Amino acid sequence: GQQLNQSPQSMFIQEGEDVSMNCTSSSIFNTWLWYKQDPGEGPVLLIALYKAGELTSNGRLTAQFGITRKDSFLNISASIPSDVGIYFCAGQNAFYNFNKFYFGSGTKLNVKP
Amino acid sequence: EAGVAQSPRYKIIEKRQSVAFWCNPISGHATLYWYQQILGQGPKLLIQFQNNGVVDDSQLPKDRFSAERLKGVDSTLKIQPAKLEDSAVYLCASSLVQNSPLHFGNGTRLTVT
Repeated sequence: GQQLNQSPQSMFIQEGEDVSMNCTSSSIFNTWLWYKQDPGEGPVLLIALYKAGELTSNGRLTAQFGITRKDSFLNISASIPSDVGIYFCAGQNAFYNFNKFYFGSGTKLNVKP
Repeated sequence: EAGVAQSPRYKIIEKRQSVAFWCNPISGHATLYWYQQILGQGPKLLIQFQNNGVVDDSQLPKDRFSAERLKGVDSTLKIQPAKLEDSAVYLCASSLVQNSPLHFGNGTRLTVT
């Protein structure tokens, strides 16, 4: 299957700091999704991206669809304790399995108050 | 709008026993997915339904796993017999159409002893 590499694997930051994480694919995707998962719960959709170069915000979160179509980025500004969790990227490749979403292994975010 | 419902939330069984999980997707969502999430990893697709037909089950271990969505609404996933390596969270997700974002339930945490 498709390989999605997320980095970093984990982050420890101070409350108020900005956070950046990214996801890269071995092939072209035409949809990128970003999810957050809290312990004991299912992933919750944060942002969906459908076009190369697209930049979309959801409150303090901003995600970008890379122009190469092989990567995506998620930024969180002014982090707060409730941002703690695991962030997953997911991508879909219309040219191979257009209906299949592949997930990265996640970035675990820890925020110190 | 009610979310994706899953039951049970937790299940502990011994190896070689059987177990079944149930999922009710968001109303009107045609596509239903079962994902397996092993601790520390991203979700991995097991099977995808479009209405009551299977679209992709290439990653489903068919010698022990089975799934059905008989009336195109709710779905069950069964494991028989279970192995130790089946210990994971089983996530159900649904989407309006095949390439729209996935919405997840809170999962069933399975422990095989």
